[in-house]
Amino acid sequence: KNQVEQSPQSLIILEGKNCTLQCNYTVSPFSNLRWYKQDTGRGPVSLTIMTFSENTKSNGRYTATLDADTKQSSLHITASQLSDSASYICVVSPNTNAGKSTFGDGTTLTVKP
Amino acid sequence: KAGVTQTPRYLIKTRGQQVTLSCSPISGHRSVSWYQQTPGQGLQFLFEYFSETQRNKGNFPGRFSGRQFSNSRSEMNVSTLELGDSALYLCASSLQSGTGGSGYTFGSGTRLTVV
Repeated sequence: KNQVEQSPQSLIILEGKNCTLQCNYTVSPFSNLRWYKQDTGRGPVSLTIMTFSENTKSNGRYTATLDADTKQSSLHITASQLSDSASYICVVSPNTNAGKSTFGDGTTLTVKP
Repeated sequence: KAGVTQTPRYLIKTRGQQVTLSCSPISGHRSVSWYQQTPGQGLQFLFEYFSETQRNKGNFPGRFSGRQFSNSRSEMNVSTLELGDSALYLCASSLQSGTGGSGYTFGSGTRLTVV
């Protein structure tokens, strides 16, 4: 069964600090992995997408890594800002036309001043 | 180009009523997926439509149904509303079914409150 597990479930950090969110998956065959940011009451917005051959992808202060061998991904946020407070969702898509993507439950990040 | 449009943005209904939510995908996108999100919970997959056909379905009761029109716009219907149906309903569009390559673009959601 395809699964995506994210950790930690929630995280509180101080403004300016760095943090790393984890995503482990068992989706097969693998096509791509995306990280989304969801502000409260809004729809998720894509941060990064990574395919099998990519190890690292950056988007400003967000850097995602992928280890396809161990089926793990991480999202690193540097110099956190109050606006980074949100839920971060990992989504893994299969390499088939009919299969559906598997969503993680998300990590809720709170950045405090 | 225009994003994914969901209407209405907010909705209040009474138990037992039915409701219809609408989603207009990005132009050219043929896949529309629906998700339910309750407070503190992850996105729960409802169903996906691609070229007017339901391609995948989640584990929700038959009270939840959907359809897709020839212009790719999709509607989701919930009949006999229950208090537990109160949630943020999100729609996502993509070029391909399963989003093997194109990924999802989400709408802002419809906040449904059942009283």
